Amino acid sequence: QKEVEQNSGPLSVPEGAIASLNCTYSDRGSQSFFWYRQYSGKSPELIMFIYSNGDKEDGRFTAQLNKASQYVSLLIRDSQPSDSATYLCAVYNQGGKLIFGQGTELSVKP
Amino acid sequence: DTEVTQTPKHLVMGMTNKKSLKCEQHMGHRAMYWYKQKAKKPPELMFVYSYEKLSINESVPSRFSPECPNSSLLNLHLHALQPEDSALYLCASSQVLSLAKNIQYFGAGTRLSVL
Repeated sequence: QKEVEQNSGPLSVPEGAIASLNCTYSDRGSQSFFWYRQYSGKSPELIMFIYSNGDKEDGRFTAQLNKASQYVSLLIRDSQPSDSATYLCAVYNQGGKLIFGQGTELSVKP
Repeated sequence: DTEVTQTPKHLVMGMTNKKSLKCEQHMGHRAMYWYKQKAKKPPELMFVYSYEKLSINESVPSRFSPECPNSSLLNLHLHALQPEDSALYLCASSQVLSLAKNIQYFGAGTRLSVL
């Protein structure tokens, strides 16, 4: 089992819709969870982090964490073509390393 | 300001060349990281420095040699690379090396091509 798993996509949504990105992790002791956005040919950019169970909202983005189910998600409301990118879920393991999922490619169609 | 600066942006080198990648941050962060990223793959950790000391080496071949001359600067020295080492090399920094609430900020990366 991979430490961090994401659906690779591509996930295609129409402009204005809600995009839902999912991530599961295997280390029950993980405390910190991150979502990075990466445009093609660019470096990862942090968009959300979450440490506690529940929801965290920042503008059009909502991160959801369920530690019991070992599940993290990212919702993007009112999706825009500029949101088209690869979204990387990342989780610290007990060894102190930030482990990335394979990334979900999101395509927002005008 | 969460800026991590990497130079050069692009680098082409032959298999017999010696070159260096440079990374700089002025956020007062005491942990710095090198990652390698191939196309359509997530970043792979190579090295971690904490308080200018090497903390993690992910069994990286010796043709990659990291150096942390001071708390703001991180170098990656390259020698006798192979074509399969062509990738995007990313530097990141965070306040400290810890498990909790430790946000890593990435530089723009150096796109390396080995001919």
